[in-house]
Amino acid sequence: NAGVTQTPKFQVLKTGQSMTLQCAQDMNHNSMYWYRQDPGMGLRLIYYSASEGTTDKGEVPNGYNVSRLNKREFSLRLESAAPSQTSVYFCASSEWYRLEDTQYFGPGTRLTVL
Amino acid sequence: KNEVEQSPQNLTAQEGEFITINCSYSVGISALHWLQQHPGGGIVSLFMLSSGKKKHGRLIATINIQEKHSSLHITASHPRDSAVYICAAPKDGNQFYFGTGTSLTVIP
Repeated sequence: NAGVTQTPKFQVLKTGQSMTLQCAQDMNHNSMYWYRQDPGMGLRLIYYSASEGTTDKGEVPNGYNVSRLNKREFSLRLESAAPSQTSVYFCASSEWYRLEDTQYFGPGTRLTVL
Repeated sequence: KNEVEQSPQNLTAQEGEFITINCSYSVGISALHWLQQHPGGGIVSLFMLSSGKKKHGRLIATINIQEKHSSLHITASHPRDSAVYICAAPKDGNQFYFGTGTSLTVIP
């Protein structure tokens, strides 16, 4: 089992360009999450999908859109990238959207917006 | 205002030392998570605990819900323990308030 996979691992964009970060999990998990991690700040939730067919905003959703393509895949799209979106992005999944469920993280995507 | 505060921010230890990382939180919670972020960036969940103490190998986590404080201890520290340790307090559902992490370096 690969767990949670993310593509790409690294990406450099110019301001205004768009891109989609891909995430997939093979653990048959129902819930998936997108976070960003910036120096000196804790992980911040961008969007989450508590179950297939639903998506909800997290703490910092502005400038992003998501798609829960199926139970396995949850993508994050930047329509018009800005330098403030330079960050490391992590996808995670959990069996259910419950306090006691462990989240499993992908390896991260390091995004630089010039 | 940070709902979760960790101390210290950075910690350097000699191999074999006993290490303590602290986490204080201001929200009312019933459990707390500890995560480990490897130097390469990968994040793994270490513990979820709601009371008392949990042990996994050389790692021990304790929590005092009334005092809103948790500690992560590492006994007989080793260079491979070098990582960022993050505590996280549940918000609702499976959302969290994350601490900013404690960066630990263990020197041989």
